[in-house]
Amino acid sequence: AIQLTQSPSSLSASVGDRVTITCRASQGISSAFAWYQQKPGKAPKLLIYGASTLESGVPSRFSGDGSGPDFTLTISSLQPEDFATYYCQQFNSYLFTFGPGTKVDI
Amino acid sequence: QITLKESGPTLVKPTQTLTLTCTFAGFSVNSNGVSVGWIRQPPGKALEWLALLYWDDDKRYSPSLKSRLTITKDTSKNQVVLTMTNMDPVDTGTYYCVHSSDYGSLGAPQYYFDYWGQGTLVTVSS
Repeated sequence: AIQLTQSPSSLSASVGDRVTITCRASQGISSAFAWYQQKPGKAPKLLIYGASTLESGVPSRFSGDGSGPDFTLTISSLQPEDFATYYCQQFNSYLFTFGPGTKVDI
Repeated sequence: QITLKESGPTLVKPTQTLTLTCTFAGFSVNSNGVSVGWIRQPPGKALEWLALLYWDDDKRYSPSLKSRLTITKDTSKNQVVLTMTNMDPVDTGTYYCVHSSDYGSLGAPQYYFDYWGQGTLVTVSS
């Protein structure tokens, strides 16, 4: 099974900072790759799919890039509401894997 | 408007079988490119995909849990049911029902989880 690793596992940042999170797959995968944001006590929210396409309604400060095995999520200017945990996810052969998450806090 | 809501026991004993029901609205599980499934999250830990029931009745399971999981649907009730056998305390966590759409094109499917239920906390303890 494909494994996903994320780095860093956590980071501290300030409002206005540029933040980049990386996800690496254990083997080459297609662009069937997504990023989710989860706030405490809430269900995750789809941010980016297809490695780089913004889900409807997601602010343009979020962007995704990459192709197997390395993918990145960038927040160009961190806002107070962006402090959360971010998960990567891949889809391959009709199966799914999530990364371990990256917590972004102040 | 798509909504999903999980229901089931909040407490199960070790070795028991867990049955969770997802009641949804705003879509048909038989629609091309639509699927419904389950994801769980132990307290303070990462998300773990469990199972997905595709629009064509194809069923897929997490390889590590496949022997313990069964996903079924009741189209007349707009429900999807997950059963997990032989529950253990490590299975404690929040279980989410999810709607997944095919965002792919050119015959290359790409499924992502675009709608989530609020989640239900299941505790496994004697």
